[in-house]
Amino acid sequence: DAKTTQPPSMDCAEGRAANLPCNHSTISGNEYVYWYRQIHSQGPQYIIHGLKNNETNEMASLIITEDRKSSTLILPHATLRDTAVYYCIVRVSPTSGTYKYIFGTGTRLKVLA
Amino acid sequence: KAGVTQTPRYLIKTRGQQVTLSCSPISGHRSVSWYQQTPGQGLQFLFEYFSETQRNKGNFPGRFSGRQFSNSRSEMNVSTLELGDSALYLCASSFGSYAVVGNEQFFGPGTRLTVL
Repeated sequence: DAKTTQPPSMDCAEGRAANLPCNHSTISGNEYVYWYRQIHSQGPQYIIHGLKNNETNEMASLIITEDRKSSTLILPHATLRDTAVYYCIVRVSPTSGTYKYIFGTGTRLKVLA
Repeated sequence: KAGVTQTPRYLIKTRGQQVTLSCSPISGHRSVSWYQQTPGQGLQFLFEYFSETQRNKGNFPGRFSGRQFSNSRSEMNVSTLELGDSALYLCASSFGSYAVVGNEQFFGPGTRLTVL
């Protein structure tokens, strides 16, 4: 299965952009990259997903390298409420008939006032 | 619209017992997935149910089972509990099967199971 590698923690100043990297060098051509975040004591929350092209929504931007071996989640103007664990996830296509999400270990982002 | 609800929120059991956890998806959602979250292994996918059928399954032993009812509510059962089953069990719902891109998952707050 494809795996993701993320730095365990990062700090970001409030109001600045937070850039969270993810390495997924073993990803296959049809496997999507998803990002979710988990705020303490809550279930994970969907942020964004992509395959090859860069994506943007109201929460964040996702930049995927051309070789698809890595990606970066960008929170353009981080606020204190963005403090959370951010998971980079690969949606694995079925080889045994099962789709599944492979969660990375996550990056604990702390936004500092 | 109400979110995903899970009951109970906290549970304490002893080794060898069995437990049933419940999940009510967002109204209109037909897919329910279950995950186990532990400090050591992180978030791991258990299985997905869609229209009362198990569609996808992770790498967990047969002690972990589930089912989905006609109203899309789902239950997860763990038999012969082991200490290592202590975890936060998360349920997520989506409109369609998560196998289809675009069907984002909405997670509930989880049930924290402690096995003594």
